Amino acid sequence: AQKITQTQPGMFVQEKEAVTLDCTYDTSDPSYGLFWYKQPSSGEMIFLIYQGSYDQQNATEGRYSLNFQKARKSANLVISASQLGDSAMYFCAMREGRGGGYNKLIFGAGTRLAVHP
Amino acid sequence: ETGVTQSPTHLIKTRGQQVTLRCSSQSGHNTVSWYQQALGQGPQFIFQYYREEENGRGNFPPRFSGLQFPNYSSELNVNALELDDSALYLCASSFQGTTTRYEQYFGPGTRLTVT
Repeated sequence: AQKITQTQPGMFVQEKEAVTLDCTYDTSDPSYGLFWYKQPSSGEMIFLIYQGSYDQQNATEGRYSLNFQKARKSANLVISASQLGDSAMYFCAMREGRGGGYNKLIFGAGTRLAVHP
Repeated sequence: ETGVTQSPTHLIKTRGQQVTLRCSSQSGHNTVSWYQQALGQGPQFIFQYYREEENGRGNFPPRFSGLQFPNYSSELNVNALELDDSALYLCASSFQGTTTRYEQYFGPGTRLTVT
């Protein structure tokens, strides 16, 4: 069965420093996608970054980059130059796709990030 | 570009009642998925609607049902509410087509409390 594991319940980082949030996944499907979402206390899930299993290069979106190591089945999120507004819950998710438009996301338990001034 | 909207924001219901939650998808999106997020957990997939039909379902009982309308908006209906149904319900929209983009964009959620 497909599964996402986030082993860090909580992390803290000093403002302006970089931080890595860990994510490992398990799937037997050769075609899959990996996502990171940010969830502030307001509850809305904010899309950050996407990596397809066949993408050759690691995805980057502004201060966010995804360290994709396929052989190790890991998809860690790196946030550079942390800001106070980055304090939130972060979820790693995997797309379970079976074609025909099916697009289910399987989420990990999340990592709560606190950015300290 | 209009984002995903959900209504209502908060809702309090009594055990055994029925509830309807609503979602308007982001403009240009044709697929809607619903997720349930219990306190302190990651979201769990309920089901997905594409072309007005359910085309995928998670491990939720039949009392969770939904609809998608021609304008791609959607409803989630829950019958015979139980205390464990108390959660944040998130709607996500995405686009499926000749060039499918897998990113799902979420609405702000509806927080349901069952007493």
